[in-house]
Amino acid sequence: AQSVTQLGSHVSVSEGALVLLRCNYSSSVPPYLFWYVQYPNQGLQLLLKYTTGATLVKGINGFEAEFKKSETSFHLTKPSAHMSDAAEYFCAVSDLPGGYNKLIFGAGTRLAVHP
Amino acid sequence: KAGVTQTPRYLIKTRGQQVTLSCSPISGHRSVSWYQQTPGQGLQFLFEYFSETQRNKGNFPGRFSGRQFSNSRSEMNVSTLELGDSALYLCASSLLGSMDNEQFFGPGTRLTVL
Repeated sequence: AQSVTQLGSHVSVSEGALVLLRCNYSSSVPPYLFWYVQYPNQGLQLLLKYTTGATLVKGINGFEAEFKKSETSFHLTKPSAHMSDAAEYFCAVSDLPGGYNKLIFGAGTRLAVHP
Repeated sequence: KAGVTQTPRYLIKTRGQQVTLSCSPISGHRSVSWYQQTPGQGLQFLFEYFSETQRNKGNFPGRFSGRQFSNSRSEMNVSTLELGDSALYLCASSLLGSMDNEQFFGPGTRLTVL
């Protein structure tokens, strides 16, 4: 069965510092991988996704992630944090095969950005 | 283009009652999925509907049910509410319900069971 592990439930960085949020997955088939962001009292917004092809995926708001099959990882990075990046981030894997639209989410990482 | 809307946004019920939550997908989207979000269990898949048919169901008791109408709007129902059902319930819509289509999430309905 597919699963996702996010290392670190809380990450704190200074404004302008590198953001690195870690995600490892387990999948019996080539995975579709996603990163979502959730701001307080809001739903989830897709940051980026990996389906096939290029392993370095660029998303919105300057975020990117690299799919590393050998490490079963899909870590999210941003070169320079902004105060507005403070939110909760979720890594997710598709429940394939046969799971249609079902996503399996990690537990989430809350990112705090300090001035 | 309007996003996914969920009504109501907040709901307070007591144990033993039942509740119905509504989700209106983005116009033209045919797939609607529901997720439960709690501090303890995180985000868990409830079910997905495509063209009025339930295609997939998560690991929840039969008290949780849903349906989709011909206009793609979806409702979920929880009967005999328990304290543990307190959660944020999110719905997401996508165009054709495949993993290549982005899922757009609504703001959620926050259910509190007293």
